[in-house]
Amino acid sequence: SQQGEEDPQALSIQEGENATMNCSYKTSINNLQWYRQNSGRGLVHLILIRSNEREKHSGRLRVTLDTSKKSSSLLITASRAADTASYFCATEKSGGSNYKLTFGKGTLLTVNP
Amino acid sequence: GAGVSQSPSNKVTEKGKDVELRCDPISGHTALYWYRQSLGQGLEFLIYFQGNSAPDKSGLPSDRFSAERTGGSVSTLTIQRTQQEDSAVYLCASSLQRNIQYFGAGTRLSVL
Repeated sequence: SQQGEEDPQALSIQEGENATMNCSYKTSINNLQWYRQNSGRGLVHLILIRSNEREKHSGRLRVTLDTSKKSSSLLITASRAADTASYFCATEKSGGSNYKLTFGKGTLLTVNP
Repeated sequence: GAGVSQSPSNKVTEKGKDVELRCDPISGHTALYWYRQSLGQGLEFLIYFQGNSAPDKSGLPSDRFSAERTGGSVSTLTIQRTQQEDSAVYLCASSLQRNIQYFGAGTRLSVL
């Protein structure tokens, strides 16, 4: 399996509910980022959490990072139909090739009105 | 200023033809990346530019793929003798050193 794997692969919820997506990775990292992609086109950066941080908030987004378990979660609270998209985690490895982000295959979130 | 711009947005070509995909990064961004995304898949790293040089070309799938960057700005990804398996969305991103990557809308390539 590859660095940066999200689960679940797909998630369907009702508007107003919370959505939680998880990401696991294998190597030591400098930071972990979450991106959103609509309709299979360009990705939009959502939030970055550094390896020495455990939790970060941005609006309705909450990201946690557990470096001991090499995992992260993205929580979207009070979801809206407009949140429907694919969500990807991306890791920047520490040492060596630290310019490169490694993306997972993403979680497809569907928020039903 | 404007975001990352990619052209064309869609490209349909016949098997065996060459194609050129263009990326205009955000002004001042020194780092530029090309990725490939097949249907329903994650992003596959192709190549990384720092300025005009490409210290990492490890993701290019074959010698049919090449890329260049001129003036520390525009980049062109060229695919020679296209094959059907080259059909995908090709995404370009730029960043300031190791910061957040900003993506273009991509070029959807269809090889018939």
